[in-house]
Amino acid sequence: GAVVSQHPSRVICKSGTSVKIECRSLDFQATTMFWYRQFPKKSLMLMATSNEGSKATYEQGVEKDKFLINHASLTLSTLTVTSAHPEDSSFYICSARSSGGANEQFFGPGTRLTVL
Amino acid sequence: AQSVAQPEDQVNVAEGNPLTVKCTYSVSGNPYLFWYVQYPNRGLQFLLKYITGDNLVKGSYGFEAEFNKSQTSFHLKKPSALVSDSALYFCAVRDMGRGGNKLTFGTGTQLKVEL
Repeated sequence: GAVVSQHPSRVICKSGTSVKIECRSLDFQATTMFWYRQFPKKSLMLMATSNEGSKATYEQGVEKDKFLINHASLTLSTLTVTSAHPEDSSFYICSARSSGGANEQFFGPGTRLTVL
Repeated sequence: AQSVAQPEDQVNVAEGNPLTVKCTYSVSGNPYLFWYVQYPNRGLQFLLKYITGDNLVKGSYGFEAEFNKSQTSFHLKKPSALVSDSALYFCAVRDMGRGGNKLTFGTGTQLKVEL
């Protein structure tokens, strides 16, 4: 199947700093990318959907000024957690899907964010 | 709104025995159904999907799932479980009747296969 990479895999930062997470589709063009947040032993919570070249669509309750998403190319999306707080600590997973049809989403390996 | 239910938080099975992980869904249109597996601190790996056609879908690692429209179910099965199958399993649905763009996930079922 198609490969989606995320970088970094783990990041520890101080409260108040910003952290950028990259998501790349390595062998296909992802017209749509998704960002999820997963709490321990919980399901994935969709944060936002981004289409290449346009603004992301955020789910209800997700602060778009705090979680900045950029989908600048067909193979790269970034999530920036601004002014991070300890409650932002979580496992963030991106997913990518090519255009149209019923194509399954391919998921990145996730990024473990710890905010001290 | 579309939804997915995985009624069991955990399923325990002995190695070599058949396993079933349950999933039911609710959509307004035609469902596209998926199963994913997640190992600790990893992303989700695609196992199989149902789009149309044969109700019995075969996927990776010997897993299969049966689409049952009347019961709105898509249970995951494997004839003979392995210890290495122990992981967290997610069922997901896209509602194509609403031009579905989003995957909705169930709450996950932890599968534990013991010797």
